[in-house]
Amino acid sequence: NAGVMQNPRHLVRRRGQEARLRCSPMKGHSHVYWYRQLPEEGLKFMVYLQKENIIDESGMPKERFSAEFPKEGPSILRIQQVVRGDSAAYFCASSPGGGPNEKLFFGSGTQLSVL
Amino acid sequence: DQQVKQNSPSLSVQEGRISILNCDYTNSMFDYFLWYKKYPAEGPTFLISISSIKDKNEDGRFTVFLNKSAKHLSLHIVPSQPGDSAVYFCAASAGGTYKYIFGTGTRLKVLA
Repeated sequence: NAGVMQNPRHLVRRRGQEARLRCSPMKGHSHVYWYRQLPEEGLKFMVYLQKENIIDESGMPKERFSAEFPKEGPSILRIQQVVRGDSAAYFCASSPGGGPNEKLFFGSGTQLSVL
Repeated sequence: DQQVKQNSPSLSVQEGRISILNCDYTNSMFDYFLWYKKYPAEGPTFLISISSIKDKNEDGRFTVFLNKSAKHLSLHIVPSQPGDSAVYFCAASAGGTYKYIFGTGTRLKVLA
């Protein structure tokens, strides 16, 4: 499968635990984007990364959330000390370049449930 | 502040008929618009896009119309097929940015 791979598909955490969401972009894509979809809402931009660089994290909550895209391996979205309000579907997308009007290719998402 | 609005949460259409999904936006700086389709348990899949320099773009059974003065776009699917049943998201961006603003989606059900 050469598409965007996200794992796990479902993640259950108790309040206060950490959540780690992984994303492997499509082959040949070096640009990764994370979006979050809260219940009954549209997808909302969180962060844009290239290899080893955070380009734009303006959509990330100021605390507890971080993202990385290391030279080797998948991109990681990390949520520390999760709260119930973090329950959402987290989608990763990738694109071959970062040019204007790039088409984004989305993964199947990780559904995070915080108990 | 919902800059992209899809006011119809759901729509049912008979197979073979036209499906019309609507999207309104408030930001006059938006100059690029896309439609994504999403099946359950899958990620959104790109369907069709339109730049603000055009008022229509067609791809097979799918046509997107843009009315800039009304800040309104619509997706027409003709003829509708049961496999088109999915959630459709409208998205917009300004100045070539990757920060697409998504609507809340419309769930289309095509009845056989």
